[in-house]
Amino acid sequence: EDQVTQSPEALRLQEGESSSLNCSYTVSGLRGLFWYRQDPGKGPEFLFTLYSAGEEKEKERLKATLTKKESFLHITAPKPEDSATYLCAVRVYGGATNKLIFGTGTLLAVQP
Amino acid sequence: DGGITQSPKYLFRKEGQNVTLSCEQNLNHDAMYWYRQDPGQGLRLIYYSQIVNDFQKGDIAEGYSVSREKKESFPLTVTSAQKNPTAFYLCASSTLVSGQGSNQPQHFGDGTRLSIL
Repeated sequence: EDQVTQSPEALRLQEGESSSLNCSYTVSGLRGLFWYRQDPGKGPEFLFTLYSAGEEKEKERLKATLTKKESFLHITAPKPEDSATYLCAVRVYGGATNKLIFGTGTLLAVQP
Repeated sequence: DGGITQSPKYLFRKEGQNVTLSCEQNLNHDAMYWYRQDPGQGLRLIYYSQIVNDFQKGDIAEGYSVSREKKESFPLTVTSAQKNPTAFYLCASSTLVSGQGSNQPQHFGDGTRLSIL
């Protein structure tokens, strides 16, 4: 069964304290891994797409990396405004369906 | 600005009542999706549509219905058959997936929170 697991469930950081969020996946055939940011009461906001092992993407203080079994979202010198839930999703082989399988997310709190 | 508009932001359902959630997009996307988000669970797919007048069931379609009469619109009806409708409902859209296009992301609206009276 295709599965996506995110860890930790929650993470509390001090401002400027770098860390990483993990997204591990067990899928039959990966056709893309996506990172989203979700603020309370809002819809997920797209951050990155990773397509093949070894690929890296960066945006401001965020850097996403991908291996054959997992992805990491590295947060460098975070600020309080980076506080949000970060969601990981994978697209798998399965005909023409653009179906995403989501993890349960990591709730990040950055304290000033 | 292009985007996805969901309305209303909050909705209350009475016992035995059907309610309809609106989703409109002006991104010119062919595909649209409905998800349900519950605390401690990942987003779960309810229905999706890749073209006007066609849609498919997702993983949790029981108790829900949809229509796709226009490319821009994909309303979701939560019927009285859905016994646990309290959740945050998210609509998304994307370009169609094919070949290298499979790395195109889904874009989301800001959701409708449905509660039971």
